[in-house]
Amino acid sequence: DAKTTQPTSMDCAEGRAANLPCNHSTISGNEYVYWYRQIHSQGPQYIIHGLKNNETNEMASLIITEDRKSSTLILPHATLRDTAVYYCIVRVGSSNTGKLIFGQGTTLQVKP
Amino acid sequence: NAGVTQTPKFQVLKTGQSMTLQCAQDMNHNSMYWYRQDPGMGLRLIYYSASEGTTDKGEVPNGYNVSRLNKREFSLRLESAAPSQTSVYFCVSPGQDPPYEQYFGPGTRLTVT
Repeated sequence: DAKTTQPTSMDCAEGRAANLPCNHSTISGNEYVYWYRQIHSQGPQYIIHGLKNNETNEMASLIITEDRKSSTLILPHATLRDTAVYYCIVRVGSSNTGKLIFGQGTTLQVKP
Repeated sequence: NAGVTQTPKFQVLKTGQSMTLQCAQDMNHNSMYWYRQDPGMGLRLIYYSASEGTTDKGEVPNGYNVSRLNKREFSLRLESAAPSQTSVYFCVSPGQDPPYEQYFGPGTRLTVT
């Protein structure tokens, strides 16, 4: 099963861009990459997902390398409320029965 | 649409007691999953159900049983709780179509003493 590796923790200054890397070197061609975040022990909150192309939504941008072995989540203007644990997740399987493979996540601390 | 609901939100058990965690979704999804999350760790898959009437083991199924009662409901049972089962339990239901967005329940925080 494809696995992800992320740095354990990162700091970011408020108002600056936060760039969170993820390595998923064993990903298969039909496996999506998802990013979720979790604040305290609440349910994970969806941020963005991608397959091959870069993606952007109102929350973040996702940059996926051409070989798909790594990706970067970009929060363009981090706020204190973005302090959370960020999970890069590969969804293994090509249908709605695919399983999520969680890593340990990156704890992002946004500082004033 | 309530999405994915879980009950109870909190529970304290003594070692050896049993309980059932309930999960329901109103999105007419086929698949439902149970994950556990231990402090400082990512989620780990316990059991999943690809469709009504089917269930399969995930990474950490020992000590648990599940029932897919109908399309809406997927319950997780601890027959004889152990302190190692102290965790936060999340029920998840993925969407039917790509990209199969994952809908999370609010979680059940279980403590076994």
